[in-house]
Amino acid sequence: GDSVTQMEGPVTLSEEAFLTINCTYTATGYPSLFWYVQYPGEGLQLLLKATKADDKGSNKGFEATYRKETTSFHLEKGSVQVSDSAVYFCALSAALDSGGSNYKLTFGKGTLLTVNP
Amino acid sequence: DSGVTQTPKHLITATGQRVTLRCSPRSGDLSVYWYQQSLDQGLQFLIQYYNGEERAKGNILERFSAQQFPDLHSELNLSSLELGDSALYFCASSVVVGSSYNEQFFGPGTRLTVL
Repeated sequence: GDSVTQMEGPVTLSEEAFLTINCTYTATGYPSLFWYVQYPGEGLQLLLKATKADDKGSNKGFEATYRKETTSFHLEKGSVQVSDSAVYFCALSAALDSGGSNYKLTFGKGTLLTVNP
Repeated sequence: DSGVTQTPKHLITATGQRVTLRCSPRSGDLSVYWYQQSLDQGLQFLIQYYNGEERAKGNILERFSAQQFPDLHSELNLSSLELGDSALYFCASSVVVGSSYNEQFFGPGTRLTVL
């Protein structure tokens, strides 16, 4: 079945440091890929997405590129801030049936990021 | 604020009991999804409803059931509760179905504790 593997952390960085959170996936067909972020006490928010190979999703300084050849979707940010402290989830959306009318999100385990001043 | 509301925020109950979790989707969204988030299993898809009808099932136990009402709100019913059912339960909603890049908007979750 479909699966997502991401580095579990926790990851602790100083402000302005470079961030990479690795994510690889296994899926049949051509999934869409997502990064969601969960701030303390809140639900998940979509951070960015990519729907086909070589697409780059970007938002709030975060970027991730859909790499079909390495089945990866690594999250990067050049300079993290304290306000980026949260749990980050990599996810894929793939069809539940051959008809392609139903899709579900499959999530990685999440990576806790803590940014210190 | 995603526009998806969930009640209650916290629920504490005993083993063997039954509880109902409620979700109101964003205005205009016809599809509702339920997820369970636990420390050992991570985030797992439970079930999806679209415009009142069950559309897809994930790892949902037989003790759990859900429904979506004509006003599009949804309820997740958990019965014969066990300690292992303690988790965060999220509801999400979306406008579109039938598309892999369909964005889901998540509610703040209901934290269930079974003692």
